[in-house]
Amino acid sequence: QAVLTQAPSVSGTPGQRVTIFCSGSSSNIASNYVHWYQQLPGTAPKLLIYNNNERPSGVPDRFSGSKSGASASLAISGLRSEDEADYFCSSWDDSLTGRLFGGGTKLTVL
Amino acid sequence: QVRLQQWGTGLVKPSETLSLSCEFFGGPFYGYYWSWIRRAPGKGLEWIGDIDQSGYTYYTPSLRNRVSIFLDISKNQVSLNVSSVTAADTAVYYCARGNPASAAARFDSWGQGTVVTVSS
Repeated sequence: QAVLTQAPSVSGTPGQRVTIFCSGSSSNIASNYVHWYQQLPGTAPKLLIYNNNERPSGVPDRFSGSKSGASASLAISGLRSEDEADYFCSSWDDSLTGRLFGGGTKLTVL
Repeated sequence: QVRLQQWGTGLVKPSETLSLSCEFFGGPFYGYYWSWIRRAPGKGLEWIGDIDQSGYTYYTPSLRNRVSIFLDISKNQVSLNVSSVTAADTAVYYCARGNPASAAARFDSWGQGTVVTVSS
């Protein structure tokens, strides 16, 4: 079964850098773009990173994405309290002929 | 600025059909997917399906037998039906724009979300 795997939670202190990982396979991340979404409590998801490492207009450069093989990562530097949210990776899966989301990583800012 | 406004029934009885609609404003219609995604309580995001300007649809396999997405271009609206609902369909449902209309689409605009509860 096609899945994207994320750690359920990660934490950091203000100013710190944290990295959220997303593990997939040859049918998804390895051969397709990865996108990242941020969902603040009680709000709709927001596009944070697209096409592996591109930032939409208005997203601070504290957020960056990368991909290597069948894995991708989202790095957040200069951590702020307002970054506390759920983060989801997403990619197309060629075997599924459909889109996958990772299970999500809850970021806590201590 | 693209905006998506969604609405629909918030309480649905088991075995009945969930129906939601979404109207999009402020941007071109063609060249995008118009999609539905949901998030059940305590769970992550789940992609439901996409529809393109020609009405061609992609659905997630686990829901394919119960889901229909359709487009009313004249009204700039996309709609979702999920039939034979159970408690497992309780979730916040979102409409979103997929950009561009391809496998590489990212969801760059989202509706505000509609809370749907399946209960008798």
